Amino acid sequence: AQTVTQSQPEMSVQEAETVTLSCTYDTSENNYYLFWYKQPPSRQMILVIRQEAYKQQNATENRFSVNFQKAAKSFSLKISDSQLGDTAMYFCAFMKHSNNDMRFGAGTRLTVKP
Amino acid sequence: GAGVSQSPSNKVTEKGKDVELRCDPISGHTALYWYRQSLGQGLEFLIYFQGNSAPDKSGLPSDRFSAERTGGSVSTLTIQRTQQEDSAVYLCASGAGAGYNEQFFGPGTRLTVL
Repeated sequence: AQTVTQSQPEMSVQEAETVTLSCTYDTSENNYYLFWYKQPPSRQMILVIRQEAYKQQNATENRFSVNFQKAAKSFSLKISDSQLGDTAMYFCAFMKHSNNDMRFGAGTRLTVKP
Repeated sequence: GAGVSQSPSNKVTEKGKDVELRCDPISGHTALYWYRQSLGQGLEFLIYFQGNSAPDKSGLPSDRFSAERTGGSVSTLTIQRTQQEDSAVYLCASGAGAGYNEQFFGPGTRLTVL
């Protein structure tokens, strides 16, 4: 079974600073997808960024980027120029290419301080 | 509406009662997922529907849980003989297909079993 580990239950960052959230996963699969989702207090889950395992280039979406280390099974999220609206729970997720079972980590609660 | 909707938004029930939770996916989306999020936890996969294929029920925690998807659209998650440990937020997500495609989440139903 695939497991996703987020080792940082809570983190905080000053507005405009950069923060990195950690995620590691365990799998014997070679083809899979990785995701970061954001869940603000409204409870609405929002996709932040995604990565296909076969792509070596790290995904980037505006202020959000990932550091995907396939050999180390690591998929960290970097948020640059943090904004107050980035305050939320962030979930790392893994999905095998062969089926649709999405596994989520326990989440990291990020607080951006003014 | 343009997004995934779920009803009710909140449900309080007594232990032993049956409950039905509804999910209306985005029109045209063939994939539909149900997840459970316990307080302070990540998302637990429950069940997945893809088109007319047999659903993937591998995440259902017990035979008290069941789900249907009628006409490839609306889905109902039923919990029979509810227990206090069933208290959680139940999230539904839909997508255009499996794997890489983004899952769009509904706002969830908060279930409280007294």
